[in-house]
Amino acid sequence: SQQGEEDPQALSIQEGENATMNCSYKTSINNLQWYRQNSGRGLVHLILIRSNEREKHSGRLRVTLDTSKKSSSLLITASRAADTASYFCATADSGYSTLTFGKGTMLLVSP
Amino acid sequence: GAGVSQSPSNKVTEKGKDVELRCDPISGHTALYWYRQSLGQGLEFLIYFQGNSAPDKSGLPSDRFSAERTGGSVSTLTIQRTQQEDSAVYLCASSPQFRGTEAFFGQGTRLTVV
Repeated sequence: SQQGEEDPQALSIQEGENATMNCSYKTSINNLQWYRQNSGRGLVHLILIRSNEREKHSGRLRVTLDTSKKSSSLLITASRAADTASYFCATADSGYSTLTFGKGTMLLVSP
Repeated sequence: GAGVSQSPSNKVTEKGKDVELRCDPISGHTALYWYRQSLGQGLEFLIYFQGNSAPDKSGLPSDRFSAERTGGSVSTLTIQRTQQEDSAVYLCASSPQFRGTEAFFGQGTRLTVV
């Protein structure tokens, strides 16, 4: 079953703009992770935020987590054409018994 | 190795045939997962191995699917009597510790059943 649900399903922006993707989940988590997938093949881990953290940064990426709303957002600043990919959130439950992925947001960055 | 390696990259098989998909995880990683991704969809969990513990097979869709992990390293996912709905990309991932930590993915095997 799906735990994380990303929103929007697809996002189209121009280079230089910021891209924001959201993820909602249903049950208690230990951490939430964001992954990127190019061309429908392997996923690459981007960032992990623990349940006791509210915000995390990595380069042009900013992730927030609101456990009271069971939601997270991924912000990519100053986007580039090379950021074009699908982005997935994944949640690890509090007992570390599952790592569940959402359906992803497809981001298109046009030059 | 440097990363998770999966073979073959692509596999076309006839309906009813058996297929074996292989995954070589990163050396030293104790956790190994198999996921399936249908076109334009999210990742569907199939099976999880952790060290010498009994695997979590709760995601296997039918008894035609099985997987093993030999010597705590290489894993093989076997699909018997393939059906057209089995067509998907099969992704393997490994983690240095346990489920829920950062997962490192292979490039996947694209299976097409004709």
